Amino acid sequence: GIQVEQSPPDLILQEGANSTLRCNFSDSVNNLQWFHQNPWGQLINLFYIPSGTKQNGRLSATTVATERYSLLYISSSQTTDSGVYFCAVEYVNYGGSQGNLIFGKGTKLSVKP
Amino acid sequence: ETGVTQTPRHLVMGMTNKKSLKCEQHLGHNAMYWYKQSAKKPLELMFVYNFKEQTENNSVPSRFSPECPNSSHLFLHLHTLQPEDSALYLCASSQGYGDGYTFGSGTRLTVV
Repeated sequence: GIQVEQSPPDLILQEGANSTLRCNFSDSVNNLQWFHQNPWGQLINLFYIPSGTKQNGRLSATTVATERYSLLYISSSQTTDSGVYFCAVEYVNYGGSQGNLIFGKGTKLSVKP
Repeated sequence: ETGVTQTPRHLVMGMTNKKSLKCEQHLGHNAMYWYKQSAKKPLELMFVYNFKEQTENNSVPSRFSPECPNSSHLFLHLHTLQPEDSALYLCASSQGYGDGYTFGSGTRLTVV
């Protein structure tokens, strides 16, 4: 099956610092999403990014599907950015009409004031 | 609220109990999913329903029994669970292939 590897597993930042999180995947995928899981367990969809680059405020993401990786950039980090960031890739399962997400183990980010 | 609502938020049950988790989505999506998140493990896909039909059972033990009466509601019936089944159970929905997933807030289950 498809393997999804995220790095680093843990990251501690001082407030205001920038960071890059990486996601490697072992096979061709149709789509990729980045999620942020807050301390209460809620998974928030950050980006739906099968290829190219997207930006949303202080966050941006780039996926290079041909090289099987994606990067999530966090600039000017804030304490509210703390939590676990997951990368998930999608493969087609049922007659091409739906995809199933396979998750990496996540990067645990702690932003210190 | 994200459009996907899960109840209860927390559940403690004994190994001989029977309980159910509920998920409801108001997004008009066609597909619904159950995921399990255990400590120090990646999120694991358990079940997939597409247009109320189960399209995937990811080798889940029979003590977990899903039910999808319509495209908006998804249940997970639990019986004779083990302590190792304690985890965060997350429900998600999507329109289908090529669409992003929306997750609920999860049910944190503790089996004692």
